Amino acid sequence: GAVVSQHPSWVICKSGTSVKIECRSLDFQATTMFWYRQFPKQSLMLMATSNEGSKATYEQGVEKDKFLINHASLTLSTLTVTSAHPEDSSFYICSAATLGQANTEAFFGQGTRLTVV
Amino acid sequence: LAKTTQPISMDSYEGQEVNITCSHNNIATNDYITWYQQFPSQGPRFIIQGYKTKVTNEVASLFIPADRKSSTLSLPRVSLSDTAVYYCLVGERGGADGLTFGKGTHLIIQP
Repeated sequence: GAVVSQHPSWVICKSGTSVKIECRSLDFQATTMFWYRQFPKQSLMLMATSNEGSKATYEQGVEKDKFLINHASLTLSTLTVTSAHPEDSSFYICSAATLGQANTEAFFGQGTRLTVV
Repeated sequence: LAKTTQPISMDSYEGQEVNITCSHNNIATNDYITWYQQFPSQGPRFIIQGYKTKVTNEVASLFIPADRKSSTLSLPRVSLSDTAVYYCLVGERGGADGLTFGKGTHLIIQP
């Protein structure tokens, strides 16, 4: 299957700082990337949908000014957690897909463990 | 998106066949059924996808009855490394919506 890579795999930051997470599709062009958040022992929760060249669509309850998403190319989307606080500590996962293809499955990155201290 | 219901957890032993059933009573005509596996601190990994009847690949089989209101993931001869959370999802293939994950089934394989 296709490869989606996230960077970094883990990050520790101080409260009040910003952290950027990258999501890259390595061997295909992704028209759409999705960002999920997963707290311990819970399921993945969709945060936002990102289409190349346009503004992201955020799920209800997700602050767009806090979680900045940029999808500047067909192979890269970034999630920036601004002014991070301890409650933002979580496992962030991206997935990439190509819309409209009949044989599309979602390919997931390996996730980024964010710890805010 | 159709809601899914799975058992919260299951236990089995190495070498056994494990069947995990998922209910999706409100599945739509265009929806496919997809199963993902997730290990701790890793992203979900695609296992298998189907629309109706039976699908088999190198790691699993997926059984879907005619009414498509449920599906069963079958893992043959499980090993300890199959201990993971398994998610059943339904949705349009190639659609624009993000996937809605339910609680998943925590499968624990014992020696």
